Amino acid sequence: DIHMSQSPSSLSASVGDRVTITCRASQSISTYLNWYQQKPGKAPKLLIFAASSLQSGVPSRFSGSGAGTDFTLTISSLQPEDFATYYCQQSYSTPRTFGGGTRVEIK
Amino acid sequence: QVQLQESGPGLVKPSETLSLTCTVSGGTVNSGTYYWSWLRQSPGRGLEWIGYIHYGGSTTYNPSLESRVTISVDTSKNQFSLKLSSVTAADTAVYYCGRDHFRWFGEISTYYLDHWGQGKLVTVSS
Repeated sequence: DIHMSQSPSSLSASVGDRVTITCRASQSISTYLNWYQQKPGKAPKLLIFAASSLQSGVPSRFSGSGAGTDFTLTISSLQPEDFATYYCQQSYSTPRTFGGGTRVEIK
Repeated sequence: QVQLQESGPGLVKPSETLSLTCTVSGGTVNSGTYYWSWLRQSPGRGLEWIGYIHYGGSTTYNPSLESRVTISVDTSKNQFSLKLSSVTAADTAVYYCGRDHFRWFGEISTYYLDHWGQGKLVTVSS
């Protein structure tokens, strides 16, 4: 299985801050990397696919980058509705695997 | 707009079989572009991929669960289902169905879970 690790596991930030979350794969996954946002009691929601492609309807303040083993999700200016948990997921091979999540909290 | 909805018992006894169904509306399961998936989430195990089925019936399962899992599809009802046998308390989780979308993106192929059900809490307890 491909192991996905995220850092940090949690962070505190203020509205308007630039936030960066990193994800690392245990082996190269090319750009088969997706990012999801999850709010309490809700299903995850796709934000970014193929490492850097913005899903339709997702605000442009979200962006993704990286290839191989190292990836980044950036929120350029944090908004109140962005406080949530973020997960990376590899779709390079099965079993699909997820990172442990990064909880973004209000500072 | 595609919607997925899980249904089934919320309480299952230890050693019995967990059975859930996902109903797809606004789209068809009878498409080669999608892999119909089951996942689960619990505080101790995080998000865990259980497996998926393609419309022709081919399945791929997580090796950690493969001996206990069966995923099937009913194209006439536009549904797909999960059976997990010999459950224990460790199988207590929120279970999600999802659509894993296969797509060519320029010269690169990619897969992503673009639609999820709302989730179904299943508790294993006597």
